[in-house]
Amino acid sequence: NAGVTQTPKFQVLKTGQSMTLQCAQDMNHEYMSWYRQDPGMGLRLIHYSVGAGITDQGEVPNGYNVSRSTTEDFPLRLLSAAPSQTSVYFCASSYGIGTGVGYTFGSGTRLTVV
Amino acid sequence: KNEVEQSPQNLTAQEGEFITINCSYSVGISALHWLQQHPGGGIVSLFMLSSGKKKHGRLIATINIQEKHSSLHITASHPRDSAVYICAGSSNTGNQFYFGTGTSLTVIP
Repeated sequence: NAGVTQTPKFQVLKTGQSMTLQCAQDMNHEYMSWYRQDPGMGLRLIHYSVGAGITDQGEVPNGYNVSRSTTEDFPLRLLSAAPSQTSVYFCASSYGIGTGVGYTFGSGTRLTVV
Repeated sequence: KNEVEQSPQNLTAQEGEFITINCSYSVGISALHWLQQHPGGGIVSLFMLSSGKKKHGRLIATINIQEKHSSLHITASHPRDSAVYICAGSSNTGNQFYFGTGTSLTVIP
């Protein structure tokens, strides 16, 4: 099925551990992005990519790394997890910025850092 | 102060009512998005518009660029419309994405 696939759906980490949240899309979308959603604060952009080999920072990039080696995949890495990174993470993709075509969101990853 | 403000924060309606959710923004954006988030947490993009009006089924989205205001209308509301509706503005470079905190809609049968 076409869409954005995020894994895992749930994850519990200990402070200091590292992990990678996976995001893959099969729609040949150029634009991909990561967001975190926290109660009372809404969604915030972490990192984004406008194509393979190109990434850039969003509003809250600290503590996260990304890479875009292929059009399909856009993993988000937590290098040393902190309790402040407890959140729900969403990946989204779009055919292109400003094309008038909306975004497709993944189903989310609920991360808890203890 | 948020760059994107939504009103109301919470809304309860009877099935069949016409619903309006408002969004005002204070920054320059190239596109305005309306998203729907169901209780299960998944997010669906409803509309992305930069001018005028778009319609999809019972949903209508409008934007007034001069007034920096957008509205989402739901006609003949149904309990399955119960969700959080999020307004967001994006820049034309993709590096800025401003989200409202959402409007929680409950439609009662």
